[in-house]
Amino acid sequence: NAGVTQTPKFRVLKTGQSMTLLCAQDMNHEYMYWYRQDPGMGLRLIHYSVGEGTTAKGEVPDGYNVSRLKKQNFLLGLESAAPSQTSVYFCASSYRSGPGSNQPQHFGDGTRLSIL
Amino acid sequence: DAKTTQPNSMESNEEEPVHLPCNHSTISGTDYIHWYRQLPSQGPEYVIHGLTSNVNNRMASLAIAEDRKSSTLILHRATLRDAAVYYCILRAPPSGTYKYIFGTGTRLKVLA
Repeated sequence: NAGVTQTPKFRVLKTGQSMTLLCAQDMNHEYMYWYRQDPGMGLRLIHYSVGEGTTAKGEVPDGYNVSRLKKQNFLLGLESAAPSQTSVYFCASSYRSGPGSNQPQHFGDGTRLSIL
Repeated sequence: DAKTTQPNSMESNEEEPVHLPCNHSTISGTDYIHWYRQLPSQGPEYVIHGLTSNVNNRMASLAIAEDRKSSTLILHRATLRDAAVYYCILRAPPSGTYKYIFGTGTRLKVLA
């Protein structure tokens, strides 16, 4: 039972480089999310998706793009990496929450990204 | 978005109960109270959630005040593996938002 898998686990980039973080889930979840976590802080939502082909902005979307071409995958892209984007990135997924229900989010173990 | 307030850190002895408090005085009538925990070098893990009534599951219990302005996560017998950061989060129904607002949480230290 893989759950939510993030690749890569670690990466070091130079300022201005681009990269894509991959999140894959095998639970047939409709919703997927990307968060970032900075030292001593809680998680902040970057972008999220409520279904294949749809994405929406979260709290801190600037400098990131996302795509959800397949239901099981959610990609986070950095077009031109900046030192301020050094962080730990977490992906999560959940079932659709119907009225009166609150489906929990399932998180991956994170991608540690350093930008020099 | 309604906010939560938690102590920065707490300590507990192993095999003793732990009560982790959370204040949410601006909670609305439709906000659910969620608890997650984050072990070192891992992503957050769902613990429990509730709306008005106290809730129990295999991991913990959630006690919600009658006025819903505070809640307490109860770990009945703390183990060393329970050492983590515990987040209390309010979540509105999906019609308005899909996001969690994570605060800084409570870092629980369990002493052997």
